[in-house]
Amino acid sequence: GAVVSQHPSRVICKSGTSVKIECRSLDFQATTMFWYRQFPKQSLMLMATSNEGSKATYEQGVEKDKFLINHASLTLSTLTVTSAHPEDSSFYICSARDPTVNTEAFFGQGTRLTVV
Amino acid sequence: DQQVKQNSPSLSVQEGRISILNCDYTNSMFDYFLWYKKYPAEGPTFLISISSIKDKNEDGRFTVFLNKSAKHLSLHIVPSQPGDSAVYFCAASQGFGNEKLTFGTGTRLTIIP
Repeated sequence: GAVVSQHPSRVICKSGTSVKIECRSLDFQATTMFWYRQFPKQSLMLMATSNEGSKATYEQGVEKDKFLINHASLTLSTLTVTSAHPEDSSFYICSARDPTVNTEAFFGQGTRLTVV
Repeated sequence: DQQVKQNSPSLSVQEGRISILNCDYTNSMFDYFLWYKKYPAEGPTFLISISSIKDKNEDGRFTVFLNKSAKHLSLHIVPSQPGDSAVYFCAASQGFGNEKLTFGTGTRLTIIP
């Protein structure tokens, strides 16, 4: 079945550095992917919609210059957390749906980001 | 503004009994509802969904009930099994195929052997 893969699963970085997270649809093409963030004991919050070949759409309150999204191909979207700070430490998850089949969206495994 | 709410952060149920997880929503534009199961450090896994044109959907041990007038849905798991222990999120969207999901805060279900 359709699988969405995220990499890395866990990353620790120093404050002020940038981190890139990849989201791949392994056996289908996704023109749209979604990026969520989950803080401890809280809900998954939608951050942005990644659109292949065009600019991402960000939810209210999400800084587009801090969370750079690139969706350069139909199977890959990347989220770059720029100049990361400890408050950016969170669990980041992407999702995508195979538009050719009648199924729900699949989620990636998630990336645990810790900024020290 | 939490548009989807799960008021019980945790629930413990004896193995073999019924688990009932509840979810309330406030946005009347939501017409498609989903339940996801999540283990720590993993992404959510889809369980079951329901459209607002129905009031019940069943899939094996899982049944979702929707009460539109009360803006309430529930997930019933029967019989509960130890492998069901996880965090369960309800989510809502405007229409099927709309991956823009609004999630609840989750309920941690623990099945006691």
